[in-house]
Amino acid sequence: DQQVKQNSPSLSVQEGRISILNCDYTNSMFDYFLWYKKYPAEGPTFLISISSIKDKNEDGRFTVFLNKSAKHLSLHIVPSQPGDSAVYFCAASLDGGTSYGKLTFGQGTILTVHP
Amino acid sequence: DAGVTQSPTHLIKTRGQQVTLRCSPKSGHDTVSWYQQALGQGPQFIFQYYEEEERQRGNFPDRFSGHQFPNYSSELNVNALLLGDSALYLCASSLTGTSGRSGEQYFGPGTRLTVT
Repeated sequence: DQQVKQNSPSLSVQEGRISILNCDYTNSMFDYFLWYKKYPAEGPTFLISISSIKDKNEDGRFTVFLNKSAKHLSLHIVPSQPGDSAVYFCAASLDGGTSYGKLTFGQGTILTVHP
Repeated sequence: DAGVTQSPTHLIKTRGQQVTLRCSPKSGHDTVSWYQQALGQGPQFIFQYYEEEERQRGNFPDRFSGHQFPNYSSELNVNALLLGDSALYLCASSLTGTSGRSGEQYFGPGTRLTVT
């Protein structure tokens, strides 16, 4: 049962344009969402997060949007740069209770930004 | 400040063998989580160690076990290896605050395990 899904295995974007990566989840108990970026031969690196009490969070070129009713979140990168080319993972967790920060990941989307 | 380190980088084992993977957390962190990432998939949570005890476990069989040492480093052991255990094994460290909740997780580069 895939509770977090990234339905686009890959995305190709021109440098300077907007990249939009999408993620859907099924477990309505998730209340904290994160995006990680992964380069080859490296571990995932935290990018940006959002709590379920918000619908938008910005950090420089990166913005995450959360639509709780649709159980959907997206990551916008503007403007996209060639160095953004990597695998992007969406992850979700239960912020409270006995979750202890266990992360449930999507399958990942390979982003390629062309010069 | 050293980040999360894992050893070895790569490992090749035969079906039925046992393997031990090691992780040193980021300085100041006291909690270690292990994830398995199969090819083309996202990381899957195996278990988490805090205060030298397993405090949460994912959907993995008992062949997967772990340990945390007093210096917060951790080991992941897998017995009776299967071909399907071939994957990248990621260690993540975090700091558990006074609330008991784990903070942001920092990942190591992983150990690539190949079972033949």
